[in-house]
Amino acid sequence: TQLLEQSPQFLSIQEGENLTVYCNSSSVFSSLQWYRQEPGEGPVLLVTVVTGGEVKKLKRLTFQFGDARKDSSLHITAAQPGDTGLYLCAGKRAGGTSYGKLTFGQGTILTVHP
Amino acid sequence: GAVVSQHPSWVICKSGTSVKIECRSLDFQATTMFWYRQFPKQSLMLMATSNEGSKATYEQGVEKDKFLINHASLTLSTLTVTSAHPEDSSFYICSARQDRGLGSPLHFGNGTRLTVT
Repeated sequence: TQLLEQSPQFLSIQEGENLTVYCNSSSVFSSLQWYRQEPGEGPVLLVTVVTGGEVKKLKRLTFQFGDARKDSSLHITAAQPGDTGLYLCAGKRAGGTSYGKLTFGQGTILTVHP
Repeated sequence: GAVVSQHPSWVICKSGTSVKIECRSLDFQATTMFWYRQFPKQSLMLMATSNEGSKATYEQGVEKDKFLINHASLTLSTLTVTSAHPEDSSFYICSARQDRGLGSPLHFGNGTRLTVT
């Protein structure tokens, strides 16, 4: 059973389109992070959300943390080919005993065609 | 920003040999580091938690005798793949946490591509 369900797992769109990636769980997270990874490299942190209902914007990317801190979404407006990559959500479970241990979603491979 | 350096970036070895991968936090101390394995187009799979000065904590299904972890200092953790086999070929990534504040993110190394022939 996947603790963090990330969807969709694959997304292929045209330049200029909008898209949303979701991360859902039945567990509560004290914080949730979104990463972007390119082939052959490590994940790069995009954002951290810690407060239920929090919305953060990073240029064309909008991140939202659910009110109950069980889910999150990443919305990209007017996608560009440079947005292509693997997007990962990862959360630290509330009340977890293993400090720092993150739970990862399955990842979303995004391809933006010019 | 915090930087985690992983070395080597890629390595090719023969079956039966051992390979050591280093993970260093360059500008901060990390009492805890994490080792992951990643298959193509898939998410990261946590292998073990590396604790400075103590034994690593392995995830279920990960052989501790095969994947030896040593965290000898606050800035260095090593993963040694012993008696490597072709099925050990994968992308291995380490990460470290900079501080213990709520929401403090993990910083990742750039990964090591291991190919066992």
